[in-house]
Amino acid sequence: DVKVTQSSRYLVKRTGEKVFLECVQDMDHENMFWYRQDPGLGLRLIYFSYDVKMKEKGDIPEGYSVSREKKERFSLILESASTNQTSMYLCASSLAARVVGYTFGSGTRLTVV
Amino acid sequence: KNEVEQSPQNLTAQEGEFITINCSYSVGISALHWLQQHPGGGIVSLFMLSSGKKKHGRLIATINIQEKHSSLHITASHPRDSAVYICAVRSWIQGAQKLVFGQGTRLTINP
Repeated sequence: DVKVTQSSRYLVKRTGEKVFLECVQDMDHENMFWYRQDPGLGLRLIYFSYDVKMKEKGDIPEGYSVSREKKERFSLILESASTNQTSMYLCASSLAARVVGYTFGSGTRLTVV
Repeated sequence: KNEVEQSPQNLTAQEGEFITINCSYSVGISALHWLQQHPGGGIVSLFMLSSGKKKHGRLIATINIQEKHSSLHITASHPRDSAVYICAVRSWIQGAQKLVFGQGTRLTINP
């Protein structure tokens, strides 16, 4: 069964901490995405990557960075966590060229105190 | 105005009722997805449509490309169908196929 795995289901971090959210997929997908989900706002794209070492800003990249050193791993980095980054974070992956479905991870609920 | 609009935002029904959730979009798309999110966060892909109609068990999804509209139907609804249902359209943006999401419809089925 193909999977997108996010390393943590729940995280609590302090304001100012550097936070790493990890996402690993085992499907050899080219595209990987990081979203955040907030009540009333739906899912919003933070960053995406369509190849190793490639990254593109999504709709709300401010306060975040990403790293994709290997095809299967896409990391989201909060350089200095703030309370307004408290949210559900979802990773997804997809094949580049074929019209196939996305696969989502189970999400990481991050609370910044 | 959002590029993907869902209605209703919240829906409560009794077990056994026929459920319809609507999705309208304003961008060019290569496909439309219906997703299901249960409490706890994980998202499951229910359907991917580019035309016509698909059926899986008690779930039916339709799309009208000309009208830029899709519907998700649930027949003989059950409390385990309670979840947030999300419409998302796949569109080419910045050289990659990206999903644009609706805000979701929270469905509650009471026994």
